[in-house]
Amino acid sequence: EVQLEESGGGLVQPGRSLRLSCAASGFTFRDYAMHWVRQVPGKGLEWVSGISYNGVYIAYADAVKGRFTISRDNGKNSLFLQMNSLRTEDTAFYYCAKGSIWNADTFDIWGQGTMVTVSS
Amino acid sequence: EVVLTQSPGTLSLSPGERATLSCRASQSVSSNYLAWYQQKRGQAPRLLIYGASSRATGIPDRFSGSGSGTDFTLTILRLEPEDFAVYYCQQYGGSPLTFGGGTKVEIK
Repeated sequence: EVQLEESGGGLVQPGRSLRLSCAASGFTFRDYAMHWVRQVPGKGLEWVSGISYNGVYIAYADAVKGRFTISRDNGKNSLFLQMNSLRTEDTAFYYCAKGSIWNADTFDIWGQGTMVTVSS
Repeated sequence: EVVLTQSPGTLSLSPGERATLSCRASQSVSSNYLAWYQQKRGQAPRLLIYGASSRATGIPDRFSGSGSGTDFTLTILRLEPEDFAVYYCQQYGGSPLTFGGGTKVEIK
């Protein structure tokens, strides 16, 4: 079964850091682009960052550029998001999403999300 | 940045009725790189349509996408009970990737 499972969310104070992980299974992880998408509870979706299958191409939303770093370990079928200098507006569910077979920038498999709460 | 505006915000319909959802882009979407997702309460989104009109694997044929340039439409021919959800459009023709604000399809 194709699956993505996020972990690492929690409550953190503004200005602190958090590292999210996403464990992939059921597909050849190294062949696909991967992304992080976030959603404030009850609100819409916001793309955060994406990384190509080989890690060469990386992109970020302006809202997180310079603070967040996406990475992957193809040997361990894992995706990461290092979040530094967190702000209250970063509070959201963070989803790990797989780039589809049709286009790397559409998302055909999603995890269930991990909640990040930034609050003092 | 391509801004996507979805309308209406909420669509109140009965099972069996046809739903027509709109997604308008602030500029032309390159190569019609427009996708649609369905999100049910408490669940992650699901890819329905990519390339404006191609259905993803396993998506019933009552879902169809159309449009080009700046105007796109998702049509659900006959609403089933499981179709009541929030629908998002997403463009992937330019960076950053952007989503519309969503249309909620609710039971009338």
